Amino acid sequence: EAGVTQFPSHSVIEKGQTVTLRCDPISGHDNLYWYRRVMGKEIKFLLHFVKESKQDESGMPNNRFLAERTGGTYSTLKVQPAELEDSGVYFCASSGEASGRLLTGELFFGEGSRLTVL
Amino acid sequence: AQSVTQLGSHVSVSEGALVLLRCNYSSSVPPYLFWYVQYPNQGLQLLLKYTSAATLVKGINGFEAEFKKSETSFHLTKPSAHMSDAAEYFCALSGSARQLTFGSGTQLTVLP
Repeated sequence: EAGVTQFPSHSVIEKGQTVTLRCDPISGHDNLYWYRRVMGKEIKFLLHFVKESKQDESGMPNNRFLAERTGGTYSTLKVQPAELEDSGVYFCASSGEASGRLLTGELFFGEGSRLTVL
Repeated sequence: AQSVTQLGSHVSVSEGALVLLRCNYSSSVPPYLFWYVQYPNQGLQLLLKYTSAATLVKGINGFEAEFKKSETSFHLTKPSAHMSDAAEYFCALSGSARQLTFGSGTQLTVLP
């Protein structure tokens, strides 16, 4: 069974340009998460999809970030226009856990997309 | 509000020595707690989790962690380090929302 895949693995762009990151979750997983790790700091939550709906987007830094999940399958995270502080590793994770108050099960993570903004 | 603090961003141990990685948490509700590991060029992988059953939790690769409510801690241990344990380790909690709050990570180096 394929795991969570992310593309590209590394992207280098200039300030002001646009980048789109893609995540393919494990097949059948309704929950999809985006996280970001900046400069060796903690991994921070960005948002959570349940199927195609945004369940929680409280971690999105600002309106330069746009996440979509077409048809409840793969997801994209677009940064437009990119700023220097957007550099970091963007992780996608998926889970097949049913809804509930707490996350009790395992999140399956992709290898991450490293974004460098010059 | 909830938070996770990992004491020591870098820990070095000799092969065969005890591994102890520290994690303290703050949560307004009883949390579920997790340890994840990231090997170079790989995604995060679940080591073990505490979800209010037994306070001593055993995970993969010989790791275990003990939930101590009075100390708000969830330290990760392994009796004997192996070279293959070299990786970055993350403590995380699930509290009032369906997402994980992570600590800043601890890079474990195993010396021959």
